[in-house]
Amino acid sequence: SYELTQPPSVSVSPGQTARITCSGDALPKQYAYWYQQKPGQAPVLVIYKDSERPSGIPERFSGSSSGTTVTLTISGVQAEDEADYYCQSADSSGTYAVFGGGTQLTVL
Amino acid sequence: QVQLQESGPGLVKPSETLSLTCTVSGGSISSYYWSWIRQPPGKGLEWIGYIYYSGSTNYNPSLKSRVTISVDTSKNQFSLKLSSVTAADTAVYYCARVRWELRYWYFDLWGRGTLVTVSS
Repeated sequence: SYELTQPPSVSVSPGQTARITCSGDALPKQYAYWYQQKPGQAPVLVIYKDSERPSGIPERFSGSSSGTTVTLTISGVQAEDEADYYCQSADSSGTYAVFGGGTQLTVL
Repeated sequence: QVQLQESGPGLVKPSETLSLTCTVSGGSISSYYWSWIRQPPGKGLEWIGYIYYSGSTNYNPSLKSRVTISVDTSKNQFSLKLSSVTAADTAVYYCARVRWELRYWYFDLWGRGTLVTVSS
């Protein structure tokens, strides 16, 4: 079955830039989406179609794509950004949704 | 503002069928796709399947043999049934709205989730 691979954890100091990657063979054909999940809460969409930002999401959140890897970038990280982040995409046919294993972002 | 709310038993016995309902409020269930996603305690997200308001469905191949998703437009609700459950099905179950853009789709609105524990 198709898999998306994320690093288990990323740590940054406040004000620095955090980059979370997600790799998958079908990413050149399928868009990626990013969700933020804080403890005890439901996931929230922060990036869609690789790099689009939903209304209400701060500008410090951005996304990019290169080949089989997509990247979520959080510029000027704030303490409130500490959360788990999940990438999501689809298999090469676009039929089934797949999530990455999640990355725990720690703000030191 | 559209909101989703999951409901159903929090405890299910092994080998029985898990049943959950998602109620859509603040908007119509029509013209959208709706999905179920789950998350075992301390683990990642797993897509279960989706349904269109007309009733057409699409399921995760790994769960397809045990899953049924249905919709009741008169009640603005859609439901999940997962049969022959085991402890591995213990998870927080989320309902979510599916957003389609051309042939691409994702989850733009989520319910708060409900924990279902499988135990005797």
